[in-house]
Amino acid sequence: GDSVTQKEGLVTLTEGLPVMLNCTYQTIYSNAFLFWYVHYLNESPRLLLKSSTDNKRTEHQGFHATLHKSSSSFHLQKSSAQLSDSALYYCALSDTGGLSGKLTFGEGTQVTVIS
Amino acid sequence: EAGVTQSPRYAVLQEGQAVSFWCDPISGHDTLYWYQQPRDQGPQLLVYFRDEAVIDNSQLPSDRFSAVRPKGTNSTLKIQSAKQGDTATYLCASSWGFAETLYFGSGTRLTVL
Repeated sequence: GDSVTQKEGLVTLTEGLPVMLNCTYQTIYSNAFLFWYVHYLNESPRLLLKSSTDNKRTEHQGFHATLHKSSSSFHLQKSSAQLSDSALYYCALSDTGGLSGKLTFGEGTQVTVIS
Repeated sequence: EAGVTQSPRYAVLQEGQAVSFWCDPISGHDTLYWYQQPRDQGPQLLVYFRDEAVIDNSQLPSDRFSAVRPKGTNSTLKIQSAKQGDTATYLCASSWGFAETLYFGSGTRLTVL
């Protein structure tokens, strides 16, 4: 079946330094849709980024990610971390062209940004 | 616009007790999902509906879990006889159609002692 791997469980960053969260996936389908969801404390998880286009950078709220189907990766990056970026980040995969909403989530990366 | 509403926020049970979770999706969203999120893990899909119809419940432990959405709006997830392994946060999400963007509620945190 499908799987998503986020190898960093906990990340502590200094404000102003770059952020990179790893996400790799496995699926037998070629039309993978990849997502990053963010979960701030005391809020509901919400969509941060999504992409289905190979080698195209997608950006939102200062974060960006590029889907690389050749390496099955969708790493999340930001040039300069802010204290408000402290949250739980989930990478997720849909293998049905995004048409079912049936997402497979990674285990999440807890990000803490310190000053 | 109101978001996805879930209740209760917390539940604490002894093993063998029953519990129900309730979800009110965003108005107009016809697709509703229930996810189980054990501590330190990502959300795992249990069941999802399009209107009142179950689309996929293959991951729902059918001997103890049940989920309904009788009028295609609100939904109830029930655990008949809870086990300690059911301890998790239960997230409801909704979307318009089979869209890739899910809108999540704040979840119900269940502890089974």
